[in-house]
Amino acid sequence: KQEVTQIPAALSVPEGENLVLNCSFTDSAIYNLQWFRQDPGKGLTSLLLIQSSQREQTSGRLNASLDKSSGRSTLYIAASQPGDSATYLCAVYAGNQFYFGTGTSLTVIP
Amino acid sequence: DTAVSQTPKYLVTQMGNDKSIKCEQNLGHDTMYWYKQDSKKFLKIMFSYNNKELIINETVPNRFSPKSPDKAHLNLHINSLELGDSAVYFCASSQATAAVYGYTFGSGTRLTVV
Repeated sequence: KQEVTQIPAALSVPEGENLVLNCSFTDSAIYNLQWFRQDPGKGLTSLLLIQSSQREQTSGRLNASLDKSSGRSTLYIAASQPGDSATYLCAVYAGNQFYFGTGTSLTVIP
Repeated sequence: DTAVSQTPKYLVTQMGNDKSIKCEQNLGHDTMYWYKQDSKKFLKIMFSYNNKELIINETVPNRFSPKSPDKAHLNLHINSLELGDSAVYFCASSQATAAVYGYTFGSGTRLTVV
């Protein structure tokens, strides 16, 4: 069964720093991987979706990479801002459902 | 606005009661899901419906019963609520080929059983 792990569980950085969030999954037979953002008490907002045939996707200050063979993905956030503070979740689509990681709680200190 | 809408946003109820959560999407998707997010923020799938047909039914107590009157709606009815049912419940939708387009989530229903 697919298991998704995210490291670190929590991260605190000063404003302006570049940072990397990590996601690993146990079964490389995935169709795609999606990164989400969740603000406290809110729903999930999709950030980036990478198909299994792709290596990376970019949106503004965000860049997500995928190495399917090694079961890893990273989310790179450039020039972090206090508004980036949230929980970031990665999910892999395998079989007929998404499997979620436990998230990384990010705090960007002004 | 095109979206996945859940009601109510908050639900506080006593143990033993029966309650329902409603979900509607106007995205034209044909697959809908219910996820439960526990206190540690872990999201786990409960049910999935494609064109009103149940396709995923994870190990959930049979007190939980989903109902899909049409492909734009997926409701969740919970009988005899227990303290352990307290969680945030998320509805999501996708095209059947979620492999291509991913999920769109609702904003969640925070259920508190007292």
